[in-house]
Amino acid sequence: AQSVTQPDIHITVSEGASLELRCNYSYGATPYLFWYVQSPGQGLQLLLKYFSGDTLVQGIKGFEAEFKRSQSSFNLRKPSVHWSDAAEYFCAVGPFGNEKLTFGTGTRLTIIP
Amino acid sequence: NAGVTQTPKFQVLKTGQSMTLQCAQDMNHNSMYWYRQDPGMGLRLIYYSASEGTTDKGEVPNGYNVSRLNKREFSLRLESAAPSQTSVYFCASSEALKAWGNNQPQHFGDGTRLSIL
Repeated sequence: AQSVTQPDIHITVSEGASLELRCNYSYGATPYLFWYVQSPGQGLQLLLKYFSGDTLVQGIKGFEAEFKRSQSSFNLRKPSVHWSDAAEYFCAVGPFGNEKLTFGTGTRLTIIP
Repeated sequence: NAGVTQTPKFQVLKTGQSMTLQCAQDMNHNSMYWYRQDPGMGLRLIYYSASEGTTDKGEVPNGYNVSRLNKREFSLRLESAAPSQTSVYFCASSEALKAWGNNQPQHFGDGTRLSIL
């Protein structure tokens, strides 16, 4: 069965600093990977997705993620965070050819001035 | 363009009451989903509908029923609400797979916050 682990429950970063959110997945074949962001009181918004090809994926709001098959990871990065990036971030994995997603438990990001 | 619309946004029920959560999407998507979100547990799939007239159980279907009324609408029903069903419920939709392996991203509503006393 597929699974997703987000090891960091809560991360605090200074505004302007770089950010890396970790995501590890478990799946026996080619995974389909997604990062979503959830602002307070809102639904989830897609940041980026990886299906195949270039392992460095660019998303919206200046985010990027790198797929590393050898490490079963799909970490989310941003060079310089803004106060508006404070939110909860979810990594999700879907099996090949199937729309059912498994979500991680989320990482809450706090930005300090 | 409203995307995915959920009603109501908030609801308080007493144990044993019934309730239907409504979801509608205007993106002409084939697939629709119901999730629940609980602290520290992420989102868990309750039910899934790949197309009008079809539904499939997800990870946590017990205590829930669903109806895919038409292509736009997918409702979630709690027949006899229990405190363990206190949660935030999200509806999502996605396009059908356009090609083998080309998973489509899901689009989410803003959620229904449900409290059961």
